[in-house]
Amino acid sequence: DVKVTQSSRYLVKRTGEKVFLECVQDMDHENMFWYRQDPGLGLRLIYFSYDVKMKEKGDIPEGYSVSREKKERFSLILESASTNQTSMYLCASSSGPQGGYGYTFGSGTRLTVV
Amino acid sequence: LAKTTQPISMDSYEGQEVNITCSHNNIATNDYITWYQQFPSQGPRFIIQGYKTKVTNEVASLFIPADRKSSTLSLPRVSLSDTAVYYCLVARTSNDYKLSFGAGTTVTVRA
Repeated sequence: DVKVTQSSRYLVKRTGEKVFLECVQDMDHENMFWYRQDPGLGLRLIYFSYDVKMKEKGDIPEGYSVSREKKERFSLILESASTNQTSMYLCASSSGPQGGYGYTFGSGTRLTVV
Repeated sequence: LAKTTQPISMDSYEGQEVNITCSHNNIATNDYITWYQQFPSQGPRFIIQGYKTKVTNEVASLFIPADRKSSTLSLPRVSLSDTAVYYCLVARTSNDYKLSFGAGTTVTVRA
């Protein structure tokens, strides 16, 4: 089974801190994604990457950046955390578009910014 | 990507069949219909995918009429553990890596 592992289940950070969320997948997938999930808003795509060192903005990239130095690792960076970035963050990977088939998600990181 | 519309919530009882209908009026020729399931405090999990007619696996069935403007996910004989949020997605098989998730349908199964 594909495993997508997010480094932390819960994080509490202070406003203005730089925050790193790490995601690792073990199935050699080309594509990796970062979503945030908020009540009533579903999942919203922040950034995705279809190759090492490549990145594409999703629907809500403002306030975030990403890094993909190795194929298996995709990091989400909050340059200066703000309270409106309190959310559940979900990482996913896939081997191709495939009409939505076979995207594997991690268990999420619940980030609270105080 | 085609926008999808599905009910916000549905209630059921153990042993019943649950049918969730999703409308996607603007589906394109190369779009597939895919359903994901999400339990609390977990990421979404792929359930089933189809293009037309009927698809069945060990978890669910997916019914797609000829015009493909809607689809119905059928969960046979649900149990308490099927309580989850179910997302209907329309996605392409090429040149588009993004998945768009709506608010989903919260299915609550009661004893």
